[in-house]
Amino acid sequence: EDQVTQSPEALRLQEGESSSLNCSYTVSGLRGLFWYRQDPGKGPEFLFTLYSAGEEKEKERLKATLTKKESFLHITAPKPEDSATYLCAVRNSGAGSYQLTFGKGTKLSVIP
Amino acid sequence: DAGITQSPRHKVTETGTPVTLRCHQTENHRYMYWYRQDPGHGLRLIHYSYGVKDTDKGEVSDGYSVSRSKTEDFLLTLESATSSQTSVYFCAITPYASGGIGADTQYFGPGTRLTVL
Repeated sequence: EDQVTQSPEALRLQEGESSSLNCSYTVSGLRGLFWYRQDPGKGPEFLFTLYSAGEEKEKERLKATLTKKESFLHITAPKPEDSATYLCAVRNSGAGSYQLTFGKGTKLSVIP
Repeated sequence: DAGITQSPRHKVTETGTPVTLRCHQTENHRYMYWYRQDPGHGLRLIHYSYGVKDTDKGEVSDGYSVSRSKTEDFLLTLESATSSQTSVYFCAITPYASGGIGADTQYFGPGTRLTVL
């Protein structure tokens, strides 16, 4: 059974205080690992897909990295508008497997 | 929002009544999904579709049925709603018609908040 664990559950940062969110996963074969951002009352917004260990992707103040057991979402010099819940998900490489298995998310609050 | 609309956006209903939620997309995407999101559980797949009239069950399909009679619409039906089906329901699509890198990312709609009293 695929599993995704995100930590911490909640994180409060001062504006400009860099930090990282963790996503640990267990999957028999990884087809892809996904990061989403979700604002209250809205649907998840796609950020990154990572496919293999060592891969990195960046977008503005966010950088996602991947190892064989976990992924990190690094936030550099965050701003209040980065406040949101960040979701991590994995897709199994098994044939016919279309399901994404999601973690419960990390709620990030950036204080001005 | 990947060109996805969901309707209704909010609904309150009573236990035992049938409810149908609609997901509509305008870009001819082949793959469509229904998820529910509950506190403490994260997003969980209910059903998905890989083409017109082609659907399959996800992790939490009990009590739900789906239909896809045309490419643009994917309907989720609760035959007899229960309080445990109070949730936020999200539709998602994968924008590629065939496999390969990039064929996996799912893009989500705005959601439907359903309350079953």
